Amino acid sequence: AQSVTQLGSHVSVSEGALVLLRCNYSSSVPPYLFWYVQYPNQGLQLLLKYTSAATLVKGINGFEAEFKKSETSFHLTKPSAHMSDAAEYFCAVSDQNFGNEKLTFGTGTRLTIIP
Amino acid sequence: ETGVTQTPRHLVMGMTNKKSLKCEQHLGHNAMYWYKQSAKKPLELMFVYNFKEQTENNSVPSRFSPECPNSSHLFLHLHTLQPEDSALYLCASSHGTGSLSQFFGPGTRLTVL
Repeated sequence: AQSVTQLGSHVSVSEGALVLLRCNYSSSVPPYLFWYVQYPNQGLQLLLKYTSAATLVKGINGFEAEFKKSETSFHLTKPSAHMSDAAEYFCAVSDQNFGNEKLTFGTGTRLTIIP
Repeated sequence: ETGVTQTPRHLVMGMTNKKSLKCEQHLGHNAMYWYKQSAKKPLELMFVYNFKEQTENNSVPSRFSPECPNSSHLFLHLHTLQPEDSALYLCASSHGTGSLSQFFGPGTRLTVL
């Protein structure tokens, strides 16, 4: 069974400051890992994904995440927050069951940007 | 129109009503999904269809009835819902039932009175 824990349901950072959203996963097999973003009144948009290639993954809008197997973590970072980054962010895990992967989502972290 | 579209965007219904949610994907995908997003809970996968065939029913109550007439359209028929069914219902699609490329629609915000 897989699971995802997102530490902190709400995170506030100042504009221009570092964004760090935490995600820890549990999986009995090598995982695929994802970060999705959801803006108000919209669906989920894929930010980035880890699929067992490079451990540092770069995504859209300047975000990146690093897969750390020893820490079972996949934290999302962005060096400098922008007002447009305000949204809800979801971490998700999937096992590498080719052709029938299922996403297991965390409960989300709402990111607020302080002007 | 491109991507994954869902109609209606908002729906209010009584517990005795029957309504349907519609999802359409314009991406040439063959797998489609229904998810339920409730406040403070993780997204819950409800149903999966691959090439119009249902491949996953995640123990969803029978008051939710999916229909997939073709690979581009997915419906969720609703009847005798409960207030706790109020949520955002998200549709997604992908090439095959792999999670590496799921694209989500904007969702239907459902309120059951």
